[in-house]
Amino acid sequence: KAGVTQTPRYLIKTRGQQVTLSCSPISGHRSVSWYQQTPGQGLQFLFEYFSETQRNKGNFPGRFSGRQFSNSRSEMNVSTLELGDSALYLCASSLGAFSYNEQFFGPGTRLTVL
Amino acid sequence: KNEVEQSPQNLTAQEGEFITINCSYSVGISALHWLQQHPGGGIVSLFMLSSGKKKHGRLIATINIQEKHSSLHITASHPRDSAVYICAVRRSYNTDKLIFGTGTRLQVFP
Repeated sequence: KAGVTQTPRYLIKTRGQQVTLSCSPISGHRSVSWYQQTPGQGLQFLFEYFSETQRNKGNFPGRFSGRQFSNSRSEMNVSTLELGDSALYLCASSLGAFSYNEQFFGPGTRLTVL
Repeated sequence: KNEVEQSPQNLTAQEGEFITINCSYSVGISALHWLQQHPGGGIVSLFMLSSGKKKHGRLIATINIQEKHSSLHITASHPRDSAVYICAVRRSYNTDKLIFGTGTRLQVFP
């Protein structure tokens, strides 16, 4: 089976722009979660989707949003980019309800905001 | 104080040494994960534990729910084990999102 894929792998944007990141889970997986990793804050949970519904959301401003499609692919969007949004954005998929299943991580999208 | 604390932050070892990384948490949990992150960013899930002990190859993970503590052991360490090891817990109340430790950077020298 193919693993979790994320596109693009690298992205450079300027302050004020918006960005959309994509995550394709492992075939058959219905849960997708997003994480932000920065040198200062480490890994932080952004949100989780299961069967097109957002189940959980982390403590991030409303500029961060996401959605999941019927084929389980997920996108996250960040509007009005700030310098502090520069980070590695990781998504992870799991087979079923997030809590009780192993997660499989994608390679990440490295976002640089100038 | 962070809800998940890892120690040590940095660890160097010679090939073949036995390694222990510790994780302590202060919240009620339903599960604890050990993750491995290599340079370049890719994360691999090593273990998911809710009690007892699990073993996979040279890796062993234990958890003591009463003491709110988990350990990751690497036997016969190898340079390819060099990575950041991250402990993450899933809270057992309210929401079940993951809370991450800050990671332990391990370098194993030949």
